[in-house]
Amino acid sequence: AQSVTQLDSQVPVFEEAPVELRCNYSSSVSVYLFWYVQYPNQGLQLLLKYLSGSTLVKGINGFEAEFNKSQTSFHLRKPSVHISDTAEYFCAVRPNTGNQFYFGTGTSLTVIP
Amino acid sequence: ETGVTQTPRHLVMGMTNKKSLKCEQHLGHNAMYWYKQSAKKPLELMFVYNFKEQTENNSVPSRFSPECPNSSHLFLHLHTLQPEDSALYLCASSQAWGLAGERETQYFGPGTRLLVL
Repeated sequence: AQSVTQLDSQVPVFEEAPVELRCNYSSSVSVYLFWYVQYPNQGLQLLLKYLSGSTLVKGINGFEAEFNKSQTSFHLRKPSVHISDTAEYFCAVRPNTGNQFYFGTGTSLTVIP
Repeated sequence: ETGVTQTPRHLVMGMTNKKSLKCEQHLGHNAMYWYKQSAKKPLELMFVYNFKEQTENNSVPSRFSPECPNSSHLFLHLHTLQPEDSALYLCASSQAWGLAGERETQYFGPGTRLLVL
């Protein structure tokens, strides 16, 4: 069975501090991995994705994520957050067989001035 | 990404009403999706259309009826809904479905916030 776990439902962080949002998955096959951001009253916007190649992936707005196959993780990081980063962040997994996308329950990032 | 639009943005309906949600994508994609987003729950994939053909129906109740007249438009027809159907309904599109990889990266619309009374 496939699943995606975002352990932290809420992450408060001060402005200009670093942040890490955790994502772990379980899958019996190889996967493709995604992070999406959802600003209030908006749909999901793709931040970054891992399909193949380098395990360190850089996305928009200064975010990056590292795929760790042995730990089945795809944590999202940013070295210095801004107020505008306040949003909901979703990790998603697409197994390379079958026809399904699996999303985590989301992490609410609040940047404190 | 503003290539996927959804109307209406907000909808309030009674349990006996019939309404429709509309999604349009301007990205030249061939696959379109309906998702349900409820508070504190993972996004639930409801339906997938690939080249106008329905390829996935994840055990969605029959009170939700999708329609895909062409690759750019997707509808979700609603009838006799229940209060627990209140949620944000998101539409997404991708270049293709079932190939896994770059062409399957999904782009989302802003959603329709549905309240069933």
